[in-house]
Amino acid sequence: NAGVTQTPKFQVLKTGQSMTLQCAQDMNHNSMYWYRQDPGMGLRLIYYSASEGTTDKGEVPNGYNVSRLNKREFSLRLESAAPSQTSVYFCASSGEGYTEAFFGQGTRLTVV
Amino acid sequence: QKEVEQDPGPLSVPEGAIVSLNCTYSNSAFQYFMWYRQYSRKGPELLMYTYSSGNKEDGRFTAQVDKSSKYISLFIRDSQPSDSATYLCAMSGRTGRRALTFGSGTRLQVQP
Repeated sequence: NAGVTQTPKFQVLKTGQSMTLQCAQDMNHNSMYWYRQDPGMGLRLIYYSASEGTTDKGEVPNGYNVSRLNKREFSLRLESAAPSQTSVYFCASSGEGYTEAFFGQGTRLTVV
Repeated sequence: QKEVEQDPGPLSVPEGAIVSLNCTYSNSAFQYFMWYRQYSRKGPELLMYTYSSGNKEDGRFTAQVDKSSKYISLFIRDSQPSDSATYLCAMSGRTGRRALTFGSGTRLQVQP
């Protein structure tokens, strides 16, 4: 049982490049989330999707876009990467009626 | 001021010690409280989940919630070197957006 799977695990981008972080869950969860984790800042919510076809901004959405492709998949896109987006990105999901979230292993992104 | 405050540590204890980890919060709407454990370069994993006030015990772990003081704690009994990790508190409200608000995490080191 894979749970939440993120790809890629590592990525180095040049400033201005674009990329998409992929996330898929196999737990039949309705809600999916993208967080970023920076030293001393904990995890901060970028975007979330309460159900297929809906997305909403979180605490730090600027510079990002998301797509809830279907119930399983939720992608995060950086259109024009900036050094401030250097971070570890986590995707998570939670089931109907539950708030506890299950996390993927993260994507370490460096923007140079 | 952050909604959730957590001492970053590091907290260093000898093997077998009782560990106390704490978070304070300011949002009285928070009803669900969680503790996550995160090993280095891994995703957070759910450790304890508590609804509203009270205590919950699971093996060597006890979670306490005091909503009147807006204070939550995680106690680890008979700590082991394998408990060395970063511990993140997280919480959410009953209605509206169910995404979690995290503390910044406390790094724990258990010395053999």
